[in-house]
Amino acid sequence: QSVLTQPPSVSGAPGQRVTISCTGSSSNIGAGFDVHWYQQLPGTAPKLLIYANTYRPSGVPDRFSGSKSDTSASLAITGLQADDEADYYCQSYDSSLSGSVFGGGTKLTVL
Amino acid sequence: EVQLLESGGGLVQPGESLRLSCVASGFTLRSYDMSWVRQAPGKGLEWVSSFSGSGDRGHYADSVKGRFSISRDNSKNTVFLHMNSLRVEDTAVYYCAKPRYCSSDGCSGGFDRWGQGTLVTVSP
Repeated sequence: QSVLTQPPSVSGAPGQRVTISCTGSSSNIGAGFDVHWYQQLPGTAPKLLIYANTYRPSGVPDRFSGSKSDTSASLAITGLQADDEADYYCQSYDSSLSGSVFGGGTKLTVL
Repeated sequence: EVQLLESGGGLVQPGESLRLSCVASGFTLRSYDMSWVRQAPGKGLEWVSSFSGSGDRGHYADSVKGRFSISRDNSKNTVFLHMNSLRVEDTAVYYCAKPRYCSSDGCSGGFDRWGQGTLVTVSP
C-alpha cells in the first residue's frame, strides 16, 4: 500500500486528454511538500516529467502539465500520442517517514 | 553530460550482503544528497535511502532500516548502498538518483537524473 494513491490505470484515444490523480495526506502533499511526476517507459529508468508541482524540465512537451491542491495533485496529458504509453508515478516527501514517498504508479494505455 | 552508472548487483541468498556502487560523472557528487530507489519486478518505485542535508547522515525507508546503509567517496565521485541481511523481498532493480538542485537548505525539484539500475536477486 503506497503512501500516495494513484489509479492503477487510465486510458484515452490519440488526441484526447487524460488526467492522473495523486492523493496524499497532511504529512506529505497536504503539509506543503512539492509533488513531482515521472514517466517510465518499459525497461527504462524513470524520467522526470514535472517538478515542484507545475514545472516542466527542459525538453518536456507542454502537453504535460501538473497541478496541486490541498492533499492531492494531478498530471494532465493533452493531445495523447502513442508514445505516451508508459507508467506514471507521483512523488513527494513525507514528514512522518522522514523520506521520499512514491505513488503506486498509473499505467497509461493509448487506445 | 550528467551520468550515473550503478554496479554491484547479482544473485545472493537470504541473509547475505551486497554492496552497490553508483559512479557519477558530469557533476560534483558532494554537492548533492544522492538517493537510492528500488523497483521490485512488476511493481512500482520505492524510495530506499537518501543522504541528509548535511550529507553525511542517511535516511532510510522502514523496510530497510537497520540493514542498509548509504555512504559515499567524494574522491571517487561514488555513492554506495551497503545491504546486509538481505531478504527475498529486497529483490529489485536498484537505481541511484540525483536531486534536481541542492542548497544549504536541502535538496528539491525531484530526481532529474537516474542510473540505468542494477538488479539484485535474493533467492534461496
